[in-house]
Amino acid sequence: QKEVEQNSGPLSVPEGAIASLNCTYSDRGSQSFFWYRQYSGKSPELIMFIYSNGDKEDGRFTAQLNKASQYVSLLIRDSQPSDSATYLCAPRAGSYQLTFGKGTKLSVIP
Amino acid sequence: ETGVTQTPRHLVMGMTNKKSLKCEQHLGHNAMYWYKQSAKKPLELMFVYSLEERVENNSVPSRFSPECPNSSHLFLHLHTLQPEDSALYLCASSQRETSAYRELFFGEGSRLTVL
Repeated sequence: QKEVEQNSGPLSVPEGAIASLNCTYSDRGSQSFFWYRQYSGKSPELIMFIYSNGDKEDGRFTAQLNKASQYVSLLIRDSQPSDSATYLCAPRAGSYQLTFGKGTKLSVIP
Repeated sequence: ETGVTQTPRHLVMGMTNKKSLKCEQHLGHNAMYWYKQSAKKPLELMFVYSLEERVENNSVPSRFSPECPNSSHLFLHLHTLQPEDSALYLCASSQRETSAYRELFFGEGSRLTVL
């Protein structure tokens, strides 16, 4: 059974702070990792993906991957109220199937 | 606008009704998916169509029946559903390459309520 664990939150951070979202996964065959953002009442949208151990930065977002520890995280610097959403972690093992976590709800307080 | 369009956006049906959800993608992708999203549960993959090959989650009840007439259109036919089938049904598409698939692009979803 492939499992993806995320703290459901809500995670509350003040505006301008760093939000840290964590994800652990059980399938050691996972090769690539996707972070999706889902606003309330909307569909998920891709914000980051990472394949290699280490950090990947894109604007205010940094994804961190540690395959040995089966851990992937997403950091959001200078958090804005518009970042308030649910963040879904999705490892991919095999050629196509993404296994989604339940998501972490982030609330950025002005 | 993601390039993946779902209709209807909202659907209310009785347990004896037959209805269909429709999805169309304008991204030139060659793989399409149905996902189910229930409250407090992770996104659940129901069906994948890729290059005319269908892959399904064996736990999906037969009252859900997918149809993919071409690479741009995907349907989910619904028949004698149960109240617990009430959920957000998301269509997605991606590009299948030699040995892997690129990221998913989701439609806005069809919110289904079964009475």
